[in-house]
Amino acid sequence: DQQVKQNSPSLSVQEGRISILNCDYTNSMFDYFLWYKKYPAEGPTFLISISSIKDKNEDGRFTVFLNKSAKHLSLHIVPSQPGDSAVYFCAASYRDDKIIFGKGTRLHILP
Amino acid sequence: EAGVTQSPTHLIKTRGQQATLRCSPISGHTSVYWYQQALGLGLQFLLWYDEGEERNRGNFPPRFSGRQFPNYSSELNVNALELEDSALYLCASSLGGLENIQYFGAGTRLSVL
Repeated sequence: DQQVKQNSPSLSVQEGRISILNCDYTNSMFDYFLWYKKYPAEGPTFLISISSIKDKNEDGRFTVFLNKSAKHLSLHIVPSQPGDSAVYFCAASYRDDKIIFGKGTRLHILP
Repeated sequence: EAGVTQSPTHLIKTRGQQATLRCSPISGHTSVYWYQQALGLGLQFLLWYDEGEERNRGNFPPRFSGRQFPNYSSELNVNALELEDSALYLCASSLGGLENIQYFGAGTRLSVL
């Protein structure tokens, strides 16, 4: 049973445009959500997070939106840069329990 | 400050053997997590240790086990290796708490022949 779903295995975006990565979850008890970025041959790197009491969190070019009623969150990257090409994992947790990761979306930034 | 370190980087074993993977967390972090990333799959949660105790376990058979030492470093042991155990094994550490941000090592690539 996949509690965190990233339905797009890959996404291609033109450099300079907005990248939108989507994530859906099934467990309404999740109260903390995270996005990680992973380059080949490296471990995932924490990018941005959001608590369930908020609906938006922004950090530079990265913004995460949370829609609790739809059990949906998204990561917006604007403007997209070549270095953003990586696999992005959405993750969710409940209190201080383990984190559940999605399968990831591979983002390609096109020149 | 040193990040999460994992050793070895690569490990080649044959079916039926045992593998031991090691992880040193970020200084001050008491929680260590192990994940398996098989080809084409996301990060599958394996084990969580905190303060030397196993706190949670993913849906893996008992031949996957581990421990956490008093210095908070951790070992993952995989017994009776099977071909499908070939994967990248990632270790992460965190301070725990509500904002559970985990910091990952670069992983150990285990190949079972």
